[in-house]
Amino acid sequence: GAVVSQHPSRVICKSGTSVKIECRSLDFQATTMFWYRQFPKQSLMLMATSNEGSKATYEQGVEKDKFLINHASLTLSTLTVTSAHPEDSSFYICSAPIRDSSYEQYFGPGTRLTVT
Amino acid sequence: GQNIDQPTEMTATEGAIVQINCTYQTSGFNGLFWYQQHAGEAPTFLSYNVLDGLEEKGRFSSFLSRSKGYSYLLLKELQMKDSASYLCAVPSGNTGKLIFGQGTTLQVKP
Repeated sequence: GAVVSQHPSRVICKSGTSVKIECRSLDFQATTMFWYRQFPKQSLMLMATSNEGSKATYEQGVEKDKFLINHASLTLSTLTVTSAHPEDSSFYICSAPIRDSSYEQYFGPGTRLTVT
Repeated sequence: GQNIDQPTEMTATEGAIVQINCTYQTSGFNGLFWYQQHAGEAPTFLSYNVLDGLEEKGRFSSFLSRSKGYSYLLLKELQMKDSASYLCAVPSGNTGKLIFGQGTTLQVKP
């Protein structure tokens, strides 16, 4: 069964509003989680590393004030897309290492965001 | 930094064998992953190579040459359900994050 869940799986919002996406590790703890964005027919682009108890680390070119990340507990990371615009429409995927110090990751099922 | 290169698209026939190549340049090497991704779904793990050589896992095999910065994924006895994107990825430094290649979209035809 799934070991990383995301909610919601699909969301449609109006331009200018904010949307929160949750990523949960099931039955294991994750001090680190990763957020990726994937545009149609493109690969996964890492947006940021979510760190439990500290600030997220953003990749170059990703606006930290627009994509707010909160890693509130060892099993939950949230990504909030603020003031969403149509160009933010994408597939957002989170992942978590299968264990500390492991490079292998469990991926969530993804969240399809459509901004109208 | 990291640079990963894969062919964008490939087409093969059901029952055949296909090889998907991946070349990479990294500052430090911590292994190479292959993932399969069907449209609209999350990537699923296929293989992780750290040492040189071929690792076989059923119909799928993965090869690594660290000296050449090269890997390939070999799919045998192709089935229609193998039509998907295949992503090559390498860890970035010691942070645990993965950097993905652009992915190879494989279309299996009858």
